[in-house]
Amino acid sequence: NAGVMQNPRHLVRRRGQEARLRCSPMKGHSHVYWYRQLPEEGLKFMVYLQKENIIDESGMPKERFSAEFPKEGPSILRIQQVVRGDSAAYFCASSPESGVPTDTQYFGPGTRLTVL
Amino acid sequence: AQSVTQLGSHVSVSEGALVLLRCNYSSSVPPYLFWYVQYPNQGLQLLLKYTSAATLVKGINGFEAEFKKSETSFHLTKPSAHMSDAAEYFCAVSVSWAAGNKLTFGGGTRVLVKP
Repeated sequence: NAGVMQNPRHLVRRRGQEARLRCSPMKGHSHVYWYRQLPEEGLKFMVYLQKENIIDESGMPKERFSAEFPKEGPSILRIQQVVRGDSAAYFCASSPESGVPTDTQYFGPGTRLTVL
Repeated sequence: AQSVTQLGSHVSVSEGALVLLRCNYSSSVPPYLFWYVQYPNQGLQLLLKYTSAATLVKGINGFEAEFKKSETSFHLTKPSAHMSDAAEYFCAVSVSWAAGNKLTFGGGTRVLVKP
């Protein structure tokens, strides 16, 4: 049973370009979370999605960031017009159908974004 | 809103010695608490979680944690450190259905194990 898959593992972008990060949840999981880890900091929640719905985006920056989880295919975190401050590790996690607070979230290996 | 504080961003222990990582939480409702471990350039792996059943929780790799409501703490321990325990450890809290199960993490504690 494959774990949470994220790609690419490393992404380099120049300022002003777009970054697209992909996340495939574990089989049977329909809840996806995105977290950001800035250097020397803990993880910060960004967004929580279920299939075709954004449930909680309270941690998303108001501009340039968007997320989706379509009916088919992976979840996508999109960052437009990247700036150096967007350089971080972005982690995706998934949890089972029930979506209750006690569910374990299973994390992917992360995408490390570097903005030049 | 909930929060998590991990005392000590770095901890150094000798191989075979006790590992103690401190975690204190703040929450207005009963919390669910988690400890995750992160090895270099990898994602997070769950060590253990408290879900309001037993207050002493045993996890993988010999780790355990005790939930103490009166102290709002969930400290992680391991009786005897192994070199493979060198990693970063994160305490996290999840509080309510309405919050959508998002995890609030502490700042992390990096563990160094000396031979």
